Amino acid sequence: AQSVSQHNHHVILSEAASLELGCNYSYGGTVNLFWYVQYPGQHLQLLLKYFSGDPLVKGIKGFEAEFIKSKFSFNLRKPSVQWSDTAEYFCAVNARGDTGRRALTFGSGTRLQVQP
Amino acid sequence: NAGVTQTPKFQVLKTGQSMTLQCAQDMNHEYMSWYRQDPGMGLRLIHYSVGAGITDQGEVPNGYNVSRSTTEDFPLRLLSAAPSQTSVYFCASKAGSAYNSPLHFGNGTRLTVT
Repeated sequence: AQSVSQHNHHVILSEAASLELGCNYSYGGTVNLFWYVQYPGQHLQLLLKYFSGDPLVKGIKGFEAEFIKSKFSFNLRKPSVQWSDTAEYFCAVNARGDTGRRALTFGSGTRLQVQP
Repeated sequence: NAGVTQTPKFQVLKTGQSMTLQCAQDMNHEYMSWYRQDPGMGLRLIHYSVGAGITDQGEVPNGYNVSRSTTEDFPLRLLSAAPSQTSVYFCASKAGSAYNSPLHFGNGTRLTVT
């Protein structure tokens, strides 16, 4: 079955450290890829998205993600995290599933805790 | 601009009770959906709608009903609440059904079933 995997469930970093959160998916064919962020007590917000073209996409707040088709990955990166980046991060993939219909599937999320 | 509005924010139910979670959006979005968020499982799609009068099941539809009589509203009904339905519920909408359109989420409803 198709799936979206986020292997890091909880990441703790100090301010100014670099961040990379992994996201792997098992779908074939054309995919649309998203990263959403959920700050404490808030709803999910779009961080960035990939549809086609340049595999390195830049989002808000200094985040970027790289689509590597051969590795079925869409890892999220930030060179220097801030305390305000403390949040839960969700990878999501829109792809055609077993039923032939396209659907948006979320990963299980990664909780990032940035210590001042 | 209100975006996606969910009510209530919190709700406690006893097993067997029924209730409706409300969702309204003012962006004239055709697509609306309901997700539940559980620890370690991310968001799972319950039901969705691509327009007024059209609904379809998602990944985890059992125990939930939806209807879409207007473009703006997409209520989620729990017919007979069970402890397994304790979760945080998010309503989300997007413009059209384009696969590359991002979702706009509401603030969520935290439901506890005892």
